[in-house]
Amino acid sequence: GAVVSQHPSRVICKSGTSVKIECRSLDFQATTMFWYRQFPKQSLMLMATSNEGSKATYEQGVEKDKFLINHASLTLSTLTVTSAHPEDSSFYICSARSILRQAVDTEAFFGQGTRLTVV
Amino acid sequence: AQTVTQSQPEMSVQEAETVTLSCTYDTSESDYYLFWYKQPPSRQMILVIRQEAYKQQNATENRFSVNFQKAAKSFSLKISDSQLGDAAMYFCAYAGNQFYFGTGTSLTVIP
Repeated sequence: GAVVSQHPSRVICKSGTSVKIECRSLDFQATTMFWYRQFPKQSLMLMATSNEGSKATYEQGVEKDKFLINHASLTLSTLTVTSAHPEDSSFYICSARSILRQAVDTEAFFGQGTRLTVV
Repeated sequence: AQTVTQSQPEMSVQEAETVTLSCTYDTSESDYYLFWYKQPPSRQMILVIRQEAYKQQNATENRFSVNFQKAAKSFSLKISDSQLGDAAMYFCAYAGNQFYFGTGTSLTVIP
């Protein structure tokens, strides 16, 4: 299957700083990338859908100004957690859909996830 | 937003036996896909099986099969001949314009 690389896998930052997480599709072009947040032993909560070249679509309740998403190319999307606080500590996962398949007829390929700890 | 519900937070099965995980979803879209993903302790999401909503035939993948009831918006996963390596969190997922996950079922396989 296709490979999605997410970096970093772990990050610890101080409260009030910003953290950037990268999601790259290594061997395919992704028109759409999804960002999720997962708390321990819970499901993946969709935060936003990112389409290349356009503004991300955020789910209800997700702060756009806090979780900045940029999808500047067909192989890279970034999530920046601005002014991070301890309650932002979580596991963040990205996934990507291939441009080669249209609309809904494709699985999403997942990154390895990023464990963010804000101290 | 579409909702995906898994009513079984935890399930257990004896090794070599069969287990069925339940999933229901709600949508107004006509074109969508359904998936089952497995998440082991490593947290890497692994695709188990997919089902195209327009297909009436249930998908099968080796020991994994689904029972897709479109009218009932139900999509259950059957694991036959369960193996110790099947132990993991299982998530049902709905893929329309967005990609939503169910609440998850933790599967334990008893030797």
